[in-house]
Amino acid sequence: GENVEQHPSTLSVQEGDSAVIKCTYSDSASNYFPWYKQELGKRPQLIIDIRSNVGEKKDQRIAVTLNKTAKHFSLHITETQPEDSAVYFCAASKRVYKYIFGTGTRLKVLA
Amino acid sequence: DTEVTQTPKHLVMGMTNKKSLKCEQHMGHRAMYWYKQKAKKPPELMFVYSYEKLSINESVPSRFSPECPNSSLLNLHLHALQPEDSALYLCASSQVGGPEAFFGQGTRLTVV
Repeated sequence: GENVEQHPSTLSVQEGDSAVIKCTYSDSASNYFPWYKQELGKRPQLIIDIRSNVGEKKDQRIAVTLNKTAKHFSLHITETQPEDSAVYFCAASKRVYKYIFGTGTRLKVLA
Repeated sequence: DTEVTQTPKHLVMGMTNKKSLKCEQHMGHRAMYWYKQKAKKPPELMFVYSYEKLSINESVPSRFSPECPNSSLLNLHLHALQPEDSALYLCASSQVGGPEAFFGQGTRLTVV
């Protein structure tokens, strides 16, 4: 069945360093890959997304890369700040309305 | 208005109670979703409405009953829940055919 693996499950970085979270999806028909940030007790918020016809997308300190051949996509956060601390979920979708979420990465940015 | 608003924020209910969760959006989105999220887990899709019609039901038990009275509102009626149904219930919306989903802040439900 459809599956998205996400690694690592927890990640601690020093403030100012970069953080990378990786996801692997199983269904080669997946064509949309969003990333959500969820702070404790709050809603998941869409922070960046990428479609299968694009290899990389940047938005200020955040970037996402997609390797369709390997079925990998990654979130890169540069110059991390304490407010980046949260749980990050990747997701893959081939079918409108249905996301397959990864298991989440708890990012801690240490001041 | 780019918000999805859910009420109540917190709900405690007994196993014999009937309650409803409400969700509202004014972004003109015609697809609305209910997700369930347990602690430290990703959201799990429960239901999707498209143009006010139920288009996806992920084999959710009948004690959860969704309703979409109009294009801006989505309800989830709860009856005879079990303690294991305690979770954060998230509503989301998106454009029809557009994959970007925006989540509400959720209702934290505790079944006692």
